[in-house]
Amino acid sequence: KAGVTQTPRYLIKTRGQQVTLSCSPISGHRSVSWYQQTPGQGLQFLFEYFSETQRNKGNFPGRFSGRQFSNSRSEMNVSTLELGDSALYLCASSLAQPSSYEQYFGPGTRLTVT
Amino acid sequence: EDKVVQSPLSLVVHEGDTVTLNCSYEVTNFRSLLWYKQEKKAPTFLFMLTSSGIEKKSGRLSSILDKKELFSILNITATQTGDSAVYLCAVEATPGSARQLTFGSGTQLTVLP
Repeated sequence: KAGVTQTPRYLIKTRGQQVTLSCSPISGHRSVSWYQQTPGQGLQFLFEYFSETQRNKGNFPGRFSGRQFSNSRSEMNVSTLELGDSALYLCASSLAQPSSYEQYFGPGTRLTVT
Repeated sequence: EDKVVQSPLSLVVHEGDTVTLNCSYEVTNFRSLLWYKQEKKAPTFLFMLTSSGIEKKSGRLSSILDKKELFSILNITATQTGDSAVYLCAVEATPGSARQLTFGSGTQLTVLP
């Protein structure tokens, strides 16, 4: 079974630009969550999508948004990039069933904002 | 605000040693506690714990949860250099029907040959 895939793997953008990151979950997984990982803040929850609906959102500004498609693939968008947005962005998928809530992470997208 | 604290922050041991990593938490609507191992890339899933006192085991790794005292430990016996990684503890809370993981800052384990 293929794992979680994320594209692109690396990205360099300049301040003020916007970026879209993509995540394809494990086949059959309906829940996709996004996290930001930085050396200073660790892993922080961005949002979770389930059946094309955002179920929960972390404490991030409105510049961070996302969506999920009918095939469970998800995208996240960051507008008006700031230097502090430089981070590893991880997505994780899960079956989201009571017996199987563990999340499996993709390899991440390393975003550098200059 | 949900909080997950891991200790120690870093640990250096020699091959063959046994280590215990700690994770304490304060969350509302607790559902489960998860352990992940992160090497250079994305975290890889180790264990999910939902019930107190039931040890989960996978090879040389084991973990247990105490929901009364709000902590979990991860044990690694007969450590190997390949165990060197950051070990992350995360607690899953369920505000309403949503799911959210709050991560600790991790324990950096270094196993020397």
